[in-house]
Amino acid sequence: EAGVTQFPSHSVIEKGQTVTLRCDPISGHDNLYWYRRVMGKEIKFLLHFVKESKQDESGMPNNRFLAERTGGTYSTLKVQPAELEDSGVYFCASSFTAVNTGELFFGEGSRLTVL
Amino acid sequence: AQSVAQPEDQVNVAEGNPLTVKCTYSVSGNPYLFWYVQYPNRGLQFLLKYITGDNLVKGSYGFEAEFNKSQTSFHLKKPSALVSDSALYFCAVRGGGGYQKVTFGTGTKLQVIP
Repeated sequence: EAGVTQFPSHSVIEKGQTVTLRCDPISGHDNLYWYRRVMGKEIKFLLHFVKESKQDESGMPNNRFLAERTGGTYSTLKVQPAELEDSGVYFCASSFTAVNTGELFFGEGSRLTVL
Repeated sequence: AQSVAQPEDQVNVAEGNPLTVKCTYSVSGNPYLFWYVQYPNRGLQFLLKYITGDNLVKGSYGFEAEFNKSQTSFHLKKPSALVSDSALYFCAVRGGGGYQKVTFGTGTKLQVIP
């Protein structure tokens, strides 16, 4: 069974440019989460989809970030325009059951570097 | 607001010795606690969880964690460390009651020395 896959693994862009990160969850997993880790800091929650609906987007930093999950399958996270402080590793995770009774399955992350 | 503290950025231990990676938490209601491990260039992998029941939880790769409610701690332990255990370890917590997101700590790098 394929795990959570993320693309690209690494992206280097200049300030002001746009980047789109993609996450393919494990098939059948209704819950999809985006997290971000800035170097040396905690893994910070960004948002949570249940199927195609946003359950919780309280962690989204600002309106430069847009997440979508059309059709309830893969998800994209767009940053437009990118700023220096957006650099970090963006993790996607999925789960079938509610998060409090099951573990999260993480992708390998997309490292974003904004110059 | 819920939070997780991992007070050690790095823990060094000799191979074969017992290891402990510390975690304390703050949350309303009964906590749901998790440990994840990240090997180099890989995603996070689930190790173990505490929801309810016995305070000592056993997980993957010989790891275990002890839930201590009075000290609000959930330290990760292993009786005998392996070089292959060297990785980044994250503690996470979720509060009880309804939907709440999982909050992660800053991570602790474990270095097992041959």
